[in-house]
Amino acid sequence: NAGVTQTPKFQVLKTGQSMTLQCAQDMNHEYMSWYRQDPGMGLRLIHYSVGAGITDQGEVPNGYNVSRSTTEDFPLRLLSAAPSQTSVYFCASNPVGQLYEQYFGPGTRLTVT
Amino acid sequence: AQKVTQAQTEISVVEKEDVTLDCVYETRDTTYYLFWYKQPPSGELVFLIRRNSFDEQNEISGRYSWNFQKSTSSFNFTITASQVVDSAVYFCALSGISNFGNEKLTFGTGTRLTIIP
Repeated sequence: NAGVTQTPKFQVLKTGQSMTLQCAQDMNHEYMSWYRQDPGMGLRLIHYSVGAGITDQGEVPNGYNVSRSTTEDFPLRLLSAAPSQTSVYFCASNPVGQLYEQYFGPGTRLTVT
Repeated sequence: AQKVTQAQTEISVVEKEDVTLDCVYETRDTTYYLFWYKQPPSGELVFLIRRNSFDEQNEISGRYSWNFQKSTSSFNFTITASQVVDSAVYFCALSGISNFGNEKLTFGTGTRLTIIP
């Protein structure tokens, strides 16, 4: 199993550009989530999904869109990047209702200039 | 609303010393879970432990131990005989109940631990 994979590892965007951060998992987990990590702020939940077709907002959803068409994939879209979205983004997955362990991807470091 | 407080932003200790990382939480849920994650300099997040609110037994795993006290809403993490490889950022986290009845994590701001050789 590859676990949770994220692409790209690094990305630089200009203000106003759009892009999609990819996240995939091969563990057949129903629950997937996106976090951002900023210095001194820990990890904050952006959006999450409890299964294909079902998503909900987390703590900091503004400026981000998600959709979940398959169990495996949970992309995060930035429609119009802003410097405030400069951060490290982590995708995670775990079986629904069994928060024994969140499996995190390696992260994507995004810089918006 | 949930909250996790890690008041120690940075800690430095000399190798082989013991060190305790503090975690204080707030929640209205009667059932909840507490976690510790490690983030080494390479950046990945590594799960260390999960504890549910009904189990206040302390846990020991090698040089790591955890002290859960509901009376003080604390879930502290102690590393005994620290090693350079323990240098990392450590996050405490608390699970809550989402709109769909599933847990989601609230993280503390992390404690950067540096072990000095």
